[in-house]
Amino acid sequence: LAKTTQPISMDSYEGQEVNITCSHNNIATNDYITWYQQFPSQGPRFIIQGYKTKVTNEVASLFIPADRKSSTLSLPRVSLSDTAVYYCLVGENGGFKTIFGAGTRLFVKA
Amino acid sequence: GAVVSQHPSWVICKSGTSVKIECRSLDFQATTMFWYRQFPKQSLMLMATSNEGSKATYEQGVEKDKFLINHASLTLSTLTVTSAHPEDSSFYICSAYVAGESTDTQYFGPGTRLTVL
Repeated sequence: LAKTTQPISMDSYEGQEVNITCSHNNIATNDYITWYQQFPSQGPRFIIQGYKTKVTNEVASLFIPADRKSSTLSLPRVSLSDTAVYYCLVGENGGFKTIFGAGTRLFVKA
Repeated sequence: GAVVSQHPSWVICKSGTSVKIECRSLDFQATTMFWYRQFPKQSLMLMATSNEGSKATYEQGVEKDKFLINHASLTLSTLTVTSAHPEDSSFYICSAYVAGESTDTQYFGPGTRLTVL
């Protein structure tokens, strides 16, 4: 299973764009990259998933370079409610038997 | 979207008792469910993989006789913490594995807070 590395924490202000980068140097050919958001005392919530290039949905964008050794989750115009822990996961078939890394604790300030 | 529920959401029990936690997929079937444990300020730790109709597969260091897992149907998996002790106090989270048309995803339950006195 590919290991992921993310910044432990990040601070931002309301209205800013936040980019969280995840390194996964040992990503395998069949691995997908999935990002989850977790609030305190809640289960993780699926944000976005991708294999290569760029993926966008209603809440975020995911940028994946050609070598796929890293990925960047982009949150446009964050609000206070985006304060949470964000996990980058890499696994075959989108996350079968995924191993969670430490995650990135994002703190959005007013 | 796929919804996973857990019951109870929180439980307090005395040391030595057993506690059962249910994980249900509400609007879909899941042949595979996962159980995680999360301590305060820490990441999720995978405990076991639960497959419908077969024995669960436990991660290294997780006692299978202490954490009994049953996956009797395609929508229900249960985790029983037997003879619970204070060190078992934690946040237990389940997830259901969903195979999509192009990719597969895990959908997580809301978690169960277990406190053992």
